[in-house]
Amino acid sequence: QQQVKQSPQSLIVQKGGISIINCAYENTAFDYFPWYQQFPGKGPALLIAIRPDVSEKKEGRFTISFNKSAKQFSLHIMDSQPGDSATYFCAARGDTGNQFYFGTGTSLTVIP
Amino acid sequence: NAGVTQTPKFQVLKTGQSMTLQCAQDMNHEYMSWYRQDPGMGLRLIHYSVGAGITDQGEVPNGYNVSRSTTEDFPLRLLSAAPSQTSVYFCASSYRGFSTNEKLFFGSGTQLSVL
Repeated sequence: QQQVKQSPQSLIVQKGGISIINCAYENTAFDYFPWYQQFPGKGPALLIAIRPDVSEKKEGRFTISFNKSAKQFSLHIMDSQPGDSATYFCAARGDTGNQFYFGTGTSLTVIP
Repeated sequence: NAGVTQTPKFQVLKTGQSMTLQCAQDMNHEYMSWYRQDPGMGLRLIHYSVGAGITDQGEVPNGYNVSRSTTEDFPLRLLSAAPSQTSVYFCASSYRGFSTNEKLFFGSGTQLSVL
């Protein structure tokens, strides 16, 4: 059973547009929600992260919106660039702090 | 710093063969973990370790063994490879601490095919 559900599976956006990726979870004991970016042939790399006591976090063009009551969080990429083309994974850390549960990934393509 | 180093990058096994995937980190991280990445499944935790001599199971531990004799190294052993273990394997490490914004550092992966 997937602990973190991610959508869409793939996304195509024009350069300059906004990319939005959504994730949902059920376990209210999750205490930390990171997003990872992965380029082909590489390992994932931390992009941005949020804690459940914060509703929004922004770093440059990347913003996480977090809705604790709905148990949903999303990644917004403003002014999307071709260099943002990658696979994005949301994740949640379990209450013991020892396990991360990842979503199934979203393949983002930004068209010039 | 090299970060997290995984070897080999590619490996082909026959069903029933055994092998060890190597993982080493030079950041003095207490926490180390192994994930497998499969299409449509995301990353799934196989085993993890919170320090030398301490290991535990993740979501999909069957068919894999681990040990942690040093802080730096965390090898993953496939005892008797099966086609279902065909996947890309990633090792990741992090500084431990509940109060920090934990960052997993991933290696570049090992692509394993079991025929």
